[in-house]
Amino acid sequence: GAGVSQTPSNKVTEKGKYVELRCDPISGHTALYWYRQSLGQGPEFLIYFQGTGAADDSGLPNDRFFAVRPEGSVSTLKIQRTERGDSAVYLCASSSGGGGSSEAFFGQGTRLTVV
Amino acid sequence: EDQVTQSPEALRLQEGESSSLNCSYTVSGLRGLFWYRQDPGKGPEFLFTLYSAGEEKEKERLKATLTKKESFLHITAPKPEDSATYLCAVQAIGGYNKLIFGAGTRLAVHP
Repeated sequence: GAGVSQTPSNKVTEKGKYVELRCDPISGHTALYWYRQSLGQGPEFLIYFQGTGAADDSGLPNDRFFAVRPEGSVSTLKIQRTERGDSAVYLCASSSGGGGSSEAFFGQGTRLTVV
Repeated sequence: EDQVTQSPEALRLQEGESSSLNCSYTVSGLRGLFWYRQDPGKGPEFLFTLYSAGEEKEKERLKATLTKKESFLHITAPKPEDSATYLCAVQAIGGYNKLIFGAGTRLAVHP
């Protein structure tokens, strides 16, 4: 596709349930990022993939959060035993990566609401 | 600790009234400073990257500048369609390209 695609756009789940959020990056982009954005705040880094491997997962808040990118393209962010505090917009971004600085292009986000 | 602070939190302008948004940053080594625009319900949209002090970039009514401690986003003769939240972010050397964002400035331009 032309841009980063995230599904679903909205997800409402009950406390304690498991959720999966999907990200389709721009074709050919090797770098993929997940961010979380709470109301009135800037995006907060969660995890970075270069190809299939997680190069930096220092932003994941705890072991309930996990992300995969098995074929180096689509990524899934998985949240176990959801809590009300997990409610936020989850943003995915991709870039051409490489050793230098390159612009990251964001998807429209998945709004997660835990009730 | 790498940190970004944006001011003001919110800004209301009349159409045609020029102003500037501020982004102050603390980073161990700057790889790049980024400006993004975010509309309600949308993801951030890339505007500019600045790499070194003294650098300037322009796009339509927007101009971004960079010093060693801060960046400014100047808006000249804004229009209502410029209303959005403007986000500043830094990439640190050795930081795997991750972006550290400020909280943003919410800009409202009224006709």
